[in-house]
Formats: sequence, structure tokens, C-alpha cells
Amino acid sequence: EVQLVESGGALVQPGGSLRLSCAASGFTFTTYWMYWVRQAPGKGLVWVSRINSDGTRINYADPVKGRFTISRDNAKNTLYLQMNSLRAEDTAVYYCVRASVATDWGQGTLVTVSS
Amino acid sequence: QSALTQPPSVSGAPGQRVTISCTGSSSNIGAGFDVVWYQQVPGTAPKVLIYGSINRPSGVPDRFSGSKSGASASLAITGLQAEDEADYYCQSSDSSLSGWVFGGGTKLTVL
Repeated sequence: EVQLVESGGALVQPGGSLRLSCAASGFTFTTYWMYWVRQAPGKGLVWVSRINSDGTRINYADPVKGRFTISRDNAKNTLYLQMNSLRAEDTAVYYCVRASVATDWGQGTLVTVSS
Repeated sequence: QSALTQPPSVSGAPGQRVTISCTGSSSNIGAGFDVVWYQQVPGTAPKVLIYGSINRPSGVPDRFSGSKSGASASLAITGLQAEDEADYYCQSSDSSLSGWVFGGGTKLTVL
């Protein structure tokens, strides 16, 4: 069974940093593109970033370019999202998603940016 | 503003049929990228209803069906049930963004 477990969400002040992790199991992690998608409270789903299977191809949505860094450790079956210079508008539930044919989602982790 | 356009809300009585449209552009659905439809109950992760524009994962009732034509896609729900009340999102890939695009979401109300 595919499992994606996000962690690292917290309350952080504006301008602060946070690193999210996504522990993957139940599939061959090294063969899939992985994505981060976020959802602000009461709002829709928004793509944040993606990384290919070996970490050599990375893309970001414009609102997070230059502030967020996606990475993966294939030896640990773990996906990361380093978030710097956080803003109030980054407040959201962050989901880790496996880009399979149908996609597979974690349960999400809440990031709150507030003073 | 979302790259894919969905109606904010739709409604129907139990047993009726409703459709939710998803309009894209030449860089996403119109470019031939497939569409995924999600159902989301508030407070939970999205659940895949349709993938590859027309395919249902195992366990999803055949009351749910997807279609795609040109730069648009649609989700149809027949035999509406109270448990179908949720938010629905479409998603595709976008060549200009080099990532995913989502619709703004449609709230389905079962009257």
C-alpha cells in the first residue's frame, strides 16, 4: 500500500524558515516524480513544486521561486520542502503527492505563518 | 485566478445528474494533457475520482464519469447521493508552467 506521511508543519513567524518532510513507503520511490501541493484555509489546491526521480529536474510555481527548495533523498525514501522567507500567504496545508497515473496524496501538514 | 476554470458551485436533488465543467487552454488540456478529477471533503486529503481524463480507480462508483474534448473536460455524476456533497477539483499538466494546474474547485450541494 502506498503511504505518504508529511511532517514538519508548525506555526512560524513571517520571515522564518521551515522544512517539511514526506516519508514514502509501499512503492519504488526512486522511479517517481514527486510534487508538493498546498491549500490555504478555505481555498483551492495549488501546485507548489516538483522534482523528478533522480532530483535533476526541478520546477517551482512563481509565488515560491527563490524562497522554497524541493529535494529528495532516495536512500531514505523521503521528499523535502525547505521553505525560507515565509509570508502570511504561505499559510496552508501542504500535501506531498506521488505522480503516478492516478496520483497518490499524503494527509497533509499545516504550516501557519503568523506573528 | 486558477489556470483551469470551474463553476464555483453546482447543485442537484438526490437521484439527479449533474456535470462539472473544467475549461483550460492550449498549454494544458488543449495541448493534450490528461485530466484528473478529485473529490475533497473539507478537512481531508483529495481523493481521485477520475484519472487519464476518463478512467475510474477501483472502488470509485460508476456513477462518476469523465470526458474530455479540446481544451475542456467534464465530470458527470449520476444518481446523486447525499454523500456526494463535497468539493470537486480538476487538474492537468501545463507546458508553460512546467507543473500542474488546478481548477478553482466546485462545491456540490445535494438538495
